[in-house]
Amino acid sequence: EAGVVQSPRYKIIEKKQPVAFWCNPISGHNTLYWYLQNLGQGPELLIRYENEEAVDDSQLPKDRFSAERLKGVDSTLKIQPAELGDSAVYLCASSHRTSGDTDTQYFGPGTRLTVL
Amino acid sequence: AQTVTQSQPEMSVQEAETVTLSCTYDTSESDYYLFWYKQPPSRQMILVIRQEAYKQQNATENRFSVNFQKAAKSFSLKISDSQLGDAAMYFCAYTPYSGAGSYQLTFGKGTKLSVIP
Repeated sequence: EAGVVQSPRYKIIEKKQPVAFWCNPISGHNTLYWYLQNLGQGPELLIRYENEEAVDDSQLPKDRFSAERLKGVDSTLKIQPAELGDSAVYLCASSHRTSGDTDTQYFGPGTRLTVL
Repeated sequence: AQTVTQSQPEMSVQEAETVTLSCTYDTSESDYYLFWYKQPPSRQMILVIRQEAYKQQNATENRFSVNFQKAAKSFSLKISDSQLGDAAMYFCAYTPYSGAGSYQLTFGKGTKLSVIP
């Protein structure tokens, strides 16, 4: 089975420019997560989707970050405008909620963003 | 709030030897799940092992096993017969079990494991 796919793998932009990251979850996984991973740190959740609904976006900086998951499959995370502090790795993960059980999250390879 | 602490920023092990990575966590929940993930330089976060808190038996996965001490809130990872490919960052992670709550993973800061040939 194919894993979580993310693109691009690397992105370098000037500050104040917009940027978008794309994620395709594992087929059949209804839950999708976006995490932010700063250098030397563990990932931190930005947003979680159940199908097409964002059920936890409390840690998403909504002044510049936005996300969507149309049709409950692929997802796009956008930053506009990007700031120097946004340089990090953006990880996408997906999982399938089995009945009455907490699911295991499977991660994509991440996108490394560098803001100059 | 739940927290996960990995007190060893870096560890090293001789090839074929055994190493143990430590993890402690803080939670008021009684039902939860614990994970160890491996992140090599390629950045792909790979699931190593998972433990359900309600299970007393420690999880094992080939050369990887855990020592889960619920009362002490400790969850260490033991890697036996270490191989060069085991070199990576290892993250301990926690998520509560709840029918309607968040399934956010809370990660520790990671332990960088080096394997010496």
